Amino acid sequence: QKEVEQNSGPLSVPEGAIASLNCTYSDRGSQSFFWYRQYSGKSPELIMSIYSNGDKEDGRFTAQLNKASQYVSLLIRDSQPSDSATYLCALHYNTDKLIFGTGTRLQVFP
Amino acid sequence: GAVVSQHPSRVICKSGTSVKIECRSLDFQATTMFWYRQFPKQSLMLMATSNEGSKATYEQGVEKDKFLINHASLTLSTLTVTSAHPEDSSFYICSARGPPRAYEQYFGPGTRLTVT
Repeated sequence: QKEVEQNSGPLSVPEGAIASLNCTYSDRGSQSFFWYRQYSGKSPELIMSIYSNGDKEDGRFTAQLNKASQYVSLLIRDSQPSDSATYLCALHYNTDKLIFGTGTRLQVFP
Repeated sequence: GAVVSQHPSRVICKSGTSVKIECRSLDFQATTMFWYRQFPKQSLMLMATSNEGSKATYEQGVEKDKFLINHASLTLSTLTVTSAHPEDSSFYICSARGPPRAYEQYFGPGTRLTVT
């Protein structure tokens, strides 16, 4: 059973701070990793993909992957209230499907 | 790029009727499309995977005769909920994947179905 674990939160951070979201997974064969953002009542939106160990930066977002330790994280710098959403970690393993975590709810307060 | 649309965004139907939901990839060819369902405050649940021109592969516990999926072209997939019941009321979301992005899935905006 391939599993993706996330803390459900809520993770509360003040505006302007760095939000750190973490995800661990059970299958060492996992190859591709994704972070989706889902606002309440809306569908998920892909914000980052990462395929190799290390950091990948895109604007205020940085994804970090460590395959040896089986974790992937998402850092959001200069957090804004508009970043308040549920963040879903997902991985792809040798099939058509993505395996999703249950998501971490982020709250950014002014 | 990588835009996926869904229609309708909301639908209300009476129990026993059928509802068709369309999912279109607007700027890429979707070799694979996925249909998910999400109940309030719950996780995404994958219902089925479809490849263009092939029969859909349904997840365990999903009734293929109730949820008919057609992926007739590289830009269009449809989900038909047949003989809908109130317990089918949910948020249905499609996603699509295609070259050059081999593994990234892009989601449509979702369809909120209410069965009365």
